[in-house]
Amino acid sequence: SQTIHQWPATLVQPVGSPLSLECTVEGTSNPNLYWYRQAAGRGLQLLFYSVGIGQISSEVPQNLSASRPQDRQFILSSKKLLLSDSGFYLCAWGTGNNEQFFGPGTRLTVL
Amino acid sequence: AQTVTQSQPEMSVQEAETVTLSCTYDTSESDYYLFWYKQPPSRQMILVIRQEAYKQQNATENRFSVNFQKAAKSFSLKISDSQLGDAAMYFCACYYSNYQLIWGAGTKLIIKP
Repeated sequence: SQTIHQWPATLVQPVGSPLSLECTVEGTSNPNLYWYRQAAGRGLQLLFYSVGIGQISSEVPQNLSASRPQDRQFILSSKKLLLSDSGFYLCAWGTGNNEQFFGPGTRLTVL
Repeated sequence: AQTVTQSQPEMSVQEAETVTLSCTYDTSESDYYLFWYKQPPSRQMILVIRQEAYKQQNATENRFSVNFQKAAKSFSLKISDSQLGDAAMYFCACYYSNYQLIWGAGTKLIIKP
């Protein structure tokens, strides 16, 4: 069966520091991968998606970036965090049936 | 632009009763997929049920069923015999194309014991 991992679960970072969140998927090949951000009490905002290694599509302008160095690895990064980057970050993988399955999420607080 | 609207920010229901959560969408596409996701306090997003637009039969998963009205572009979720564990945020989402889901803003479901 397929599983998706995200880490860290919780992160507190100062403004201006770098960020690296990692997501890995097991049990499937060539999945579509997604990064979402969710503000408290709000819906999901799609940040990036990838349909293959090295292929990244960005949905919103921001100081975040994403990379997919391996088939089942998806990384969300920032060189300098802003206060507005605080939120709950979810990674998901997508099937050929257009379903998406989510990781446990990372709660990021920027101080 | 394609949109998904959940008009109920919050709903409450007595335990063991039935509740219906509303969702409408807007698209000119003929082929699409609709989903309901549940997000409990743990914030893990869980797929509850899916519906293919080309299927007329409403999807059912145990106590969860949908009322899919294609002409009205409506996709409501019915939860029967509500349980305390059903308390969560519920999100409606639609897949049209380009690998992306379009998400509603969510409905918070409260279960009264």
